[in-house]
Amino acid sequence: QQKVQQSPESLIVPEGGMASLNCTSSDRNVDYFWWYRQHSGKSPKMLMSIFSNGEKEEGRFTVHLNKASLHTSLHIRDSQPSDSALYLCAALIYTGNYKYVFGAGTRLKVIA
Amino acid sequence: DMKVTQMPRYLIKRMGENVLLECGQDMSHETMYWYRQDPGLGLQLIYISYDVDSNSEGDIPKGYRVSRKKREHFSLILDSAKTNQTSVYFCASRTGGRYAEQFFGPGTRLTVL
Repeated sequence: QQKVQQSPESLIVPEGGMASLNCTSSDRNVDYFWWYRQHSGKSPKMLMSIFSNGEKEEGRFTVHLNKASLHTSLHIRDSQPSDSALYLCAALIYTGNYKYVFGAGTRLKVIA
Repeated sequence: DMKVTQMPRYLIKRMGENVLLECGQDMSHETMYWYRQDPGLGLQLIYISYDVDSNSEGDIPKGYRVSRKKREHFSLILDSAKTNQTSVYFCASRTGGRYAEQFFGPGTRLTVL
């Protein structure tokens, strides 16, 4: 069973709309989370990271983290067709060394 | 410009053949990773290398081995490839710091017939 669960599996939003993606880990050794974006046929690129409880905003992207529940969410406002991609959540787990555990991803499609 | 390279980008092999995937980075990163990506499964960790000759199994190491003789170079070897090893393989690297970013290579699409 995957230790990092992402929901929904897929999401369609209209251009200009809000996309909300969720990620939860079942591993209590999680140190913090990363969000990656992967366009079709490309490699994952780091989008945002969040290290402490609360909210972090960068342009149209906002990330929330609740460490107690090991839950993070990514919100994209004013979604654009270029935001269409696979969004991967990664938990950084520290057990003496650092290891990333990835969720299966949320596939976002923004339609004009 | 920080960069992770992978060779080859595409590879077709027959079942039972040996496969060598190569990864390089020009950032002197200590830690390097090999992942595979299959539809619906995200990225699965195969091996981690913490530095030269310091390698550790990831979550799915069976059927794979690695070699790291230079800090900038990390190889993934499949001895006698199987059809279920058909996948896209990504290499990544990062420094050792707690908040360091992980950088990915462009990937190798491997097909085992």
